[in-house]
Amino acid sequence: KQEVTQIPAALSVPEGENLVLNCSFTDSAIYNLQWFRQDPGKGLTSLLLIQSSQREQTSGRLNASLDKSSGRSTLYIAASQPGDSATYLCAVSENSGYALNFGKGTSLLVTP
Amino acid sequence: DTGVSQNPRHKITKRGQNVTFRCDPISEHNRLYWYRQTLGQGPEFLTYFQNEAQLEKSRLLSDRFSAERPKGSFSTLEIQRTEQGDSAMYLCASSLKADEQFFGPGTRLTVL
Repeated sequence: KQEVTQIPAALSVPEGENLVLNCSFTDSAIYNLQWFRQDPGKGLTSLLLIQSSQREQTSGRLNASLDKSSGRSTLYIAASQPGDSATYLCAVSENSGYALNFGKGTSLLVTP
Repeated sequence: DTGVSQNPRHKITKRGQNVTFRCDPISEHNRLYWYRQTLGQGPEFLTYFQNEAQLEKSRLLSDRFSAERPKGSFSTLEIQRTEQGDSAMYLCASSLKADEQFFGPGTRLTVL
């Protein structure tokens, strides 16, 4: 059974810092990996999707990398802002169109 | 494109009652997923549809849970004889073929 782990569980940084969130998965035979943002009590907002054949994806200040062979992905956030404060979730899909397996998330607090 | 919508946003019910939630996916998205999320955890997969066909159900989906997607459009998730352990956020997502999943705002269920 695929297990997804996110480290750290919580992170607090001052505004302006660059930061890295980590995601690992036990079965490297994935179809794709998605990073999401979730604000308290809200639904999930898709940030980046990486197909298994890709190494990284970028959107604005966000960059996600994927190393399928080692079962790892990282989400890099540049020049963090208080508005980035949220829980960030990593999820993998094991086949085309299949359900996502989620980690428990990293709770990020960016202080002014 | 108005995104994925879910109704109601909040539902409070007494133990033993039946509840039904509705999800309207992004138009033309042929896949629709239901997830459940409890506090401090990542979402857990419940079931998914391709068009009107229910293709997979998680073992989390007990006999008290049933989902439908008539005509491949909106979907409903019904919980019969609710229990306190059913209290959670119920999230719906849709995707076009095997692309990234887009989530709705969720329905928060509280069972008293």
